[in-house]
Amino acid sequence: TAGITQAPTSQILAAGRSMTLRCTQDMRHNAMYWYRQDLGLGLRLIHYSNTAGTTGKGEVPDGYSVSRANTDDFPLTLASAVPSQTSVYFCASSDGEGSGYTFGSGTRLTVV
Amino acid sequence: GEDVEQSLFLSVREGDSSVINCTYTDSSSTYLYWYKQEPGAGLQLLTYIFSNMDMKQDQRLTVLLNKKDKHLSLRIADTQTGDSAIYFCAERDSGYALNFGKGTSLLVTP
Repeated sequence: TAGITQAPTSQILAAGRSMTLRCTQDMRHNAMYWYRQDLGLGLRLIHYSNTAGTTGKGEVPDGYSVSRANTDDFPLTLASAVPSQTSVYFCASSDGEGSGYTFGSGTRLTVV
Repeated sequence: GEDVEQSLFLSVREGDSSVINCTYTDSSSTYLYWYKQEPGAGLQLLTYIFSNMDMKQDQRLTVLLNKKDKHLSLRIADTQTGDSAIYFCAERDSGYALNFGKGTSLLVTP
């Protein structure tokens, strides 16, 4: 089934450790996004990429980095995790037309 | 980013109609969207409307857009227990990014 694959599904991470959340799409969408979802705060954009080779900062980029070496993959890295990064992380992609985003199933991250 | 506001909670009886409301502030929004999120899942696109339209109907779903008041609504006819979920309104700005509201939790009771 075409779509977005996120891995891992969930993770418990010690504070100070690094981690990369993986995101792969097979729809050849140009644009990809990382959001975090927190209770009471909705979805907030962390980073985005309008096309392979380019990235941009969203609303809450601090503590996160991304890369877009090719069209399909858009990994999100936490260099040194802190408890406030405990959240559910969603990757999404878009073909740039009006049809909106396709979302992955999310990664539930707990930083302890 | 620009603000998208939604009420946080709505409860309806099975078989009734549900109306979820949303207001946005970005007058340059080109598309507006409704997403559904079931527990433990990602967001699923329900429907969307282009900013030059007033209404869009898709089976049990009706979207109304009042561009002058920057008000968007989603009506679900004959609401079922399977419609219980969180519904997100989102606007697309002049780029590709979507700005989401905080979501409306819909509870459908038998």
